[in-house]
Amino acid sequence: DIQMTQSPSSLSASVGDRVTITCRASQSISSYLNWYQHKPGRAPKLLIYTASNLHSGVPSRFSGSGSGTDFTLTISSLQPEDFATYYCQESYSIPHLTFGGGTKVEIK
Amino acid sequence: QVQLQESGPGLVKPSETLSLTCTVSGGSIRSYYWSWIRQFPGKGLEWIGYIYYSGSTNYNPSLKSRVTISVDTSNNQFSLNLRSVTAADTAVYYCASDPTLGGRGLFFDYWGQGTLVTVSS
Repeated sequence: DIQMTQSPSSLSASVGDRVTITCRASQSISSYLNWYQHKPGRAPKLLIYTASNLHSGVPSRFSGSGSGTDFTLTISSLQPEDFATYYCQESYSIPHLTFGGGTKVEIK
Repeated sequence: QVQLQESGPGLVKPSETLSLTCTVSGGSIRSYYWSWIRQFPGKGLEWIGYIYYSGSTNYNPSLKSRVTISVDTSNNQFSLNLRSVTAADTAVYYCASDPTLGGRGLFFDYWGQGTLVTVSS
């Protein structure tokens, strides 16, 4: 199975900071990488699909990049509502689809 | 916008069957592929499987021997049965929609809020 490694596992940042989260696949997954935001007790939200496509309604401060094995999620200017846990998910190896371990973004 | 709501027992005894239903509103169940995903107490996420309205399914190989996902198009619902559960199946269970027809590149554009299922005697 493909392993997805997210880093860091947690980070502290201030409102207005630029934040970058990395997801690395154990083998090439082309551009089949998606990003989600999850807040406790809430439904997870799709942010980015197929590495760099912004889901409808998602603010433009979120962006995704990468291909092959290395991917990044960038928040250009962190807002108070962005404090959450972020997960990557590969969809190259159906039905062995896997998620990353998550990155918790906390207030500094 | 599609909305999903999970329902079912919050407590299941070991060796029994976990059964959950997801009710879809704001869209037709014929329009998407429908998945079940779970999140363990340590926060890791695991995809369980999906179904199309036709009844076509695809399951995570690690769970395939214990899982059945079914669909009820007349009630806009789909369901999960997980047999022979143990404490390791304790998790928050989510249902989610996939607009990509279930192939390589699939993603989950809308999720339910999740329901906690605890396996304990």
